[in-house]
Amino acid sequence: AQSVAQPEDQVNVAEGNPLTVKCTYSVSGNPYLFWYVQYPNRGLQFLLKYITGDNLVKGSYGFEAEFNKSQTSFHLKKPSALVSDSALYFCAVRDTILTGGGNKLTFGTGTQLKVEL
Amino acid sequence: DSGVTQTPKHLITATGQRVTLRCSPRSGDLSVYWYQQSLDQGLQFLIQYYNGEERAKGNILERFSAQQFPDLHSELNLSSLELGDSALYFCASSSGTSGGLPWNTDTQYFGPGTRLTVL
Repeated sequence: AQSVAQPEDQVNVAEGNPLTVKCTYSVSGNPYLFWYVQYPNRGLQFLLKYITGDNLVKGSYGFEAEFNKSQTSFHLKKPSALVSDSALYFCAVRDTILTGGGNKLTFGTGTQLKVEL
Repeated sequence: DSGVTQTPKHLITATGQRVTLRCSPRSGDLSVYWYQQSLDQGLQFLIQYYNGEERAKGNILERFSAQQFPDLHSELNLSSLELGDSALYFCASSSGTSGGLPWNTDTQYFGPGTRLTVL
């Protein structure tokens, strides 16, 4: 079965510092990977996805993610964190045709990002 | 704003009751997905419809059912409600196509959710 793991429940960063939110994946076939962000009492907002091509994917709000096949990782990064980035971040993997799971997303447990002044 | 709408925003009901959650996908999107978010289970996929037909099923209880109508809106029906059904229910939609890429690479856009509280 496909899965993603987010090893950190919470990440604390000072404003202006770079941030990294970690994600590792386990899939059969090609990995299709996504990052979403959830603000309090809001739905999930799409940040970026990796399908194929460049290992560095750029997304919304200055976020980027680095796909690393050998380490089966897809870490979310931002060069300079803002207080307004504080939210819950989810990594997700898409079922592939091989598993016949339709288009469903399998989510990680989420990482709470706290950016402090 | 993702363009996906869900109603109602909040729903409070009693055990044993039945409720219907409604979702309108983004204009032009053919696929609709339902997810449940709870503290103990996290975000779990329930079911997917594509152009009116069921495409995939996840951890959806037999007490729950869904359908997608000809105008592509979808409804999730929850019956014989239990305390443990209290959760945030999200609808997402996607185009169902990816411009030449594999069909399952399109992006899912989520609605704001319906918070269900069962008392």
